[in-house]
Parts: sequence; structure tokens; C-alpha cells
Amino acid sequence: SAVISQKPSRDICQRGTSLTIQCQVDSQVTMMFWYRQQPGQSLTLIATANQGSEATYESGFVIDKFPISRPNLTFSTLTVSNMSPEDSSIYLCSVNAGGAGGTEAFFGQGTRLTVV
Amino acid sequence: AQSVTQLGSHVSVSEGALVLLRCNYSSSVPPYLFWYVQYPNQGLQLLLKYTSAATLVKGINGFEAEFKKSETSFHLTKPSAHMSDAAEYFCAVITMDTGRRALTFGSGTRLQVQP
Repeated sequence: SAVISQKPSRDICQRGTSLTIQCQVDSQVTMMFWYRQQPGQSLTLIATANQGSEATYESGFVIDKFPISRPNLTFSTLTVSNMSPEDSSIYLCSVNAGGAGGTEAFFGQGTRLTVV
Repeated sequence: AQSVTQLGSHVSVSEGALVLLRCNYSSSVPPYLFWYVQYPNQGLQLLLKYTSAATLVKGINGFEAEFKKSETSFHLTKPSAHMSDAAEYFCAVITMDTGRRALTFGSGTRLQVQP
């Protein structure tokens, strides 16, 4: 299993500013994933972060808007840049650990972001 | 490409009644399937998973799901609903034929339990 600490748990930010979300895992993992959950919606993958390489972004998400760092095997950050009210969402960090082929996903508690 | 479809964005049952949440998947190779629950203002918790072993999978809190390849389904059931089961439920899939290891989620089903 994996225990994920994510912070901040929530924040209210002014439009045009940026917020960096931190994700700390209690074990070394190859891949870390960042998801967005818009109000009343399901989870959508933003990007996959591998240590030592550039993050891989999903369609509709770009590095300039969501820069990601992955300095080591237990930590990652996601920055939401130049925020607008449309960025108000829950952002979740996830890792795969255990299970068959490391396929069981574990999630942080999420960061509830409100942009005003 | 892999995908999951959850039929019914909202399901309402009476306390003590059967819970049935539907999930159908699309995958060209055998999938790994998961059900997650999200309680209000909380993160996701794994209920159960199918990883090509037994087709009937038992999870936490009395939930179970059956993998039916012929129907491409993985419906979640619980014989008797409890008020504490009220939450959002997500079906998700991973397939091992590509390097992608992130989950693909269904749209979610909100379960309401009436007293």
C-alpha cells in the first residue's frame, strides 16, 4: 500500500495567481499521477510525472498552465498557474502500488481549490 | 483505447434494499477493473478490484462485484443498503497493453439511501 500526504487540503485564491500543490508518498514510486475533479464531475487525468523526465500531459492540459515537478521518487508538485474561476476543482495526487503489476491506485485526500 | 460507462448518475434506494450500480467497460485486452467510493469532502477509497483472478470479487463494507466478460460488465452490488453507504461511486479501468498506468474513470454514480 501507499500513504499519500497532499497539501494544502484547500485554498481560496485570487484569479491571476498561482498555487502549488505538494504530494508526498511514504514509499518510492516510479509514476505519480495528477487528476482534476471539477465540481460534480468525475476524475480526469492531467499528467503523469516520472522522476527524472518531463511529465506527460493529457490532451487539453499544457505544461505552461500546469507545471509539474518530480525531484525524487517520493515527491511531486503540481502548480496551477494564472488561475481563473474555471480552475476551481479538487486536484488529486495518485500513485500505483501493490496489486497485480502495481496496478492498485492510491489517492491523496485532494486539494479543494476555489478561485475567486 | 479503454473506457468505462456508468449507467445512472444518481441512484436512490431505501435503507435495507439491494444496491446495484452499473459499470460497463470497453477494452481490447483483458482489463483490470476497480470500484472506488468518495464520501463528501474526502478522497477516494478503493472498494474492490478485479485483476483476472476470481470473477466474483468481494470488497469492503459488504460490497461485491462480478466480472462478466460476455457482457463487458462489472456491476457493484450490496445486498442491504445502509445510510452510511451514501456517497459517490466510481468505476475505473486499467489495461496492461500500453504503458499507460493511470486509471480511466467512469462518470460516477451518486448513491442516495433513504431512511
